[in-house]
Amino acid sequence: NFMLTQPHSVSESPGKTVTISCTRSSGSIASNYVQWYQRRGGSAPSIVIYEDNQRPSGVPNRFSGSIDRPSNSASLTISGLKTEDEADYYCHSYRVFGGGTKLTVL
Amino acid sequence: EVQLVESGGTLVQPGRSLRLSCAASGFTFDNYGMHWVRQAPGKGLEWVSGITWNSGSIDYADSVKGRFTISRDNAKNSLYLQMKSLRVEDSALYYCAKGMGDTMAYPDHWGQGTLVTVSS
Repeated sequence: NFMLTQPHSVSESPGKTVTISCTRSSGSIASNYVQWYQRRGGSAPSIVIYEDNQRPSGVPNRFSGSIDRPSNSASLTISGLKTEDEADYYCHSYRVFGGGTKLTVL
Repeated sequence: EVQLVESGGTLVQPGRSLRLSCAASGFTFDNYGMHWVRQAPGKGLEWVSGITWNSGSIDYADSVKGRFTISRDNAKNSLYLQMKSLRVEDSALYYCAKGMGDTMAYPDHWGQGTLVTVSS
C-alpha cells in the first residue's frame, strides 16, 4: 500500500491563489485517479475534484486539479480565494486518503 | 438529491459488537457501489470498506479485516456495517458514502456520519 502526504496547513489572503500538494509514496500518481474533498467545520465532506482534474457541477471554476508525474504528486489549486473556502481538504486515490490540509483564508 | 443517513453509533465497550446502518435516498441505490469511511477524533479520513452494486465484490482496510462486515439490502436501499471485537482505536465518526459508478470507485456523496465511541 502507498501513502498520500499533504501539508498540514496552508494560509493565504482573500483574492489570492493557493495550491495544496498531495505526494504519493510509491507507485505512479497516474496509476489511479485522484480526488479532492472539502470538509467545512462539522459538515460532511464534499467532492470538489474527481478523476484528477474534473469538477462536479456546482463547484466553482476557481477550483482546479492536476497531477505531475515527475514529482509523483497531485495538486489542488484554488484561485480568487474567498473566506468560504476555509476548510480541510483531503486528497484521495484508490482507497487511500491523504492526511488533510487545513486551509486558512485570512 | 442524494441523501445518506447513518445510524447505530453509540458508546460501546471494547470487545463488543455494533451494527451501523445507512438509509439511502435520492438515487437508484442498486446502481452504485457504496463505502464506509471513518474519521477518528483529530485524525484524517480512513477508508474502511467498500461493496459493489450487487455485493459481488467487497473489500476492507487491513485495520478492520476479519472484524468488520459490510453488506447491503438493495430492496431496502440500505447499507450496513457489522463491527465485532471493537477496539478503542475504532472510535470515530463513521460516514456512509455513495460510490461513483457500480464498482468500488471513489465516494462522491457522503452522509453526515454516526459516532462510535469504544471505551470501558
